[in-house]
Amino acid sequence: QKEVEQNSGPLSVPEGAIASLNCTYSDRVSQSFFWYRQYSGKSPELIMSIYSNGDKEDGRFTAQLNKASQYVSLLIRDSQPSDSATYLCAVPSYNTDKLIFGTGTRLQVFP
Amino acid sequence: DAGVIQSPRHEVTEMGQEVTLRCKPISGHDYLFWYRQTMMRGLELLIYFNNNVPIDDSGMPEDRFSAKMPNASFSTLKIQPSEPRDSAVYFCASSLSKEPQETQYFGPGTRLLVL
Repeated sequence: QKEVEQNSGPLSVPEGAIASLNCTYSDRVSQSFFWYRQYSGKSPELIMSIYSNGDKEDGRFTAQLNKASQYVSLLIRDSQPSDSATYLCAVPSYNTDKLIFGTGTRLQVFP
Repeated sequence: DAGVIQSPRHEVTEMGQEVTLRCKPISGHDYLFWYRQTMMRGLELLIYFNNNVPIDDSGMPEDRFSAKMPNASFSTLKIQPSEPRDSAVYFCASSLSKEPQETQYFGPGTRLLVL
């Protein structure tokens, strides 16, 4: 089992809809989780981090964490074409300073 | 701040040639990470440094790859000899010492094509 798994997509949603991106991880001791966004041809940039079970909201973005199920998700409300990108889930490797990235989910928001 | 700077932005070379990628981290950042990104394998960590010292190079694919950080403001990743399977985008990222995993700032990347 990969340490961090994501559906590669593409996930296609209409403008204004809610996009739901999912990520599962294998390390039960992980305490923090990160979502990076990567536009085509660009570098990844951090958009959300979450440390405790439940939801964390930042504007149109909501990160949801369920440690018991080893599952973290990212919801994008009122999706815009400018949200079209690849979203990478990242989880720290146990007892190191490394981040383990998923392969990313490509999101397409069509007008 | 200019952010993480990488050079060259694009590199096309022939199999067997030496390739050197360069990175300047954000001033004050103590951690520097080298990643490789391909469609098949995603974003993979190759090596990372803390205060110019290599901490973990377990992601370096083989002896053809080497990385150095002679000072706090400069790092190189060298491939010698290069092979077509090394074709990828190579990213450098840096972060602060107190929370190295927290926010890694990525450079624009170097797109390497080995013919």
